[in-house]
Amino acid sequence: GEDVEQSLFLSVREGDSSVINCTYTDSSSTYLYWYKQEPGAGLQLLTYIFSNMDMKQDQRLTVLLNKKDKHLSLRIADTQTGDSAIYFCAESTRLYNFNKFYFGSGTKLNVKP
Amino acid sequence: DGGITQSPKYLFRKEGQNVTLSCEQNLNHDAMYWYRQDPGQGLRLIYYSQIVNDFQKGDIAEGYSVSREKKESFPLTVTSAQKNPTAFYLCASARRANEKLFFGSGTQLSVL
Repeated sequence: GEDVEQSLFLSVREGDSSVINCTYTDSSSTYLYWYKQEPGAGLQLLTYIFSNMDMKQDQRLTVLLNKKDKHLSLRIADTQTGDSAIYFCAESTRLYNFNKFYFGSGTKLNVKP
Repeated sequence: DGGITQSPKYLFRKEGQNVTLSCEQNLNHDAMYWYRQDPGQGLRLIYYSQIVNDFQKGDIAEGYSVSREKKESFPLTVTSAQKNPTAFYLCASARRANEKLFFGSGTQLSVL
């Protein structure tokens, strides 16, 4: 299967920017996604980017895609304690008539007051 | 409210027992999925269904079974053949099989 890699932990201070990085192997990805998971809960879709885009901004969130290097990042501006969670990177790949999703292992973001 | 409802929140299985996890959605989504999440790992696909009365095996289908008799419902049975069932199980749906996933709140299954 395809590989999606993320670092496991990130710790920042409240008010700083957080940058969570992800690399993937499939060059035929159609969409790339960022999901947020709080303890004991399901995954919440934060944002996504089409593979022919370089950047997408949505309020405090900025997604950067370097398709040449297969590198995706999520920047959270003015990080708050409520942003503490696990963040999953995912990519979807067309497989026959079905889009298959591949998820990274998640990056645990700890925001210190 | 529209969404995906998983029940129960916590489930315990005795050895040799089959248990069924419920997933219901009222989003009118065609595609539904079951994922397994183990600590420190990404999500792994168990089964998926693109339309009613059709479903396909994912990457780790052994020891699991599903049905899709109604558009709204996609229950997952963890059979006694699944020797390591302790995990967090997530159900997801999408409007079509090529669109973004929306997730339920999950079921934590543990073995007694």
